[in-house]
Amino acid sequence: EADIYQTPRYLVIGTGKKITLECSQTMGHDKMYWYQQDPGMELHLIHYSYGVNSTEKGDLSSESTVSRIRTEHFPLTLESARPSHTSQYLCASSGDPGQGKETQYFGPGTRLLVL
Amino acid sequence: QQQVKQSPQSLIVQKGGISIINCAYENTAFDYFPWYQQFPGKGPALLIAIRPDVSEKKEGRFTISFNKSAKQFSLHIMDSQPGDSATYFCAASPNSGYSTLTFGKGTMLLVSP
Repeated sequence: EADIYQTPRYLVIGTGKKITLECSQTMGHDKMYWYQQDPGMELHLIHYSYGVNSTEKGDLSSESTVSRIRTEHFPLTLESARPSHTSQYLCASSGDPGQGKETQYFGPGTRLLVL
Repeated sequence: QQQVKQSPQSLIVQKGGISIINCAYENTAFDYFPWYQQFPGKGPALLIAIRPDVSEKKEGRFTISFNKSAKQFSLHIMDSQPGDSATYFCAASPNSGYSTLTFGKGTMLLVSP
């Protein structure tokens, strides 16, 4: 079972608020990812990281930002939440593909509702 | 540009039947092809994966068939059960430490009792 955690699991917040979605993994994985997914719909990569101090933008443009100060922690921040940010946010991590550890392990997700 | 095309979008199969989901890719650099299963309210989880050095891989009731020349791969679920009802995503990536997975759009499978 994957050891990747996301908090909060559910968040209802008003427009204009700043929010931070937390993601932590205890597997020592260098690579971490954030996906945005509407229920039952496709996964959109919005941010990823190769390791500490590395952050990259994904395929889907997002107003969110990320940081990677510690290997195990990859938080996502929205400075000013809007109703269009309402979605499910999934965090994932993976090991070194050179060692056959390219499997991405996903957290349970954070469901965000912006009113 | 979608690099992994998945079909069908949704699928209804009777209990005991065979579920088949297909994916096609364009990038010839892809050499890792996983399938993920996602239940409502959960994150996706790896189901089975294949590399292009084999044409088929079987794990229990789940089989991946891979056709390198056609750039297609498919998931077969034998003896489908109601508990298999979930959304299935195919994906692909090159063999590079700096690559990411490209996911298909997903197939919602419903296995009727």
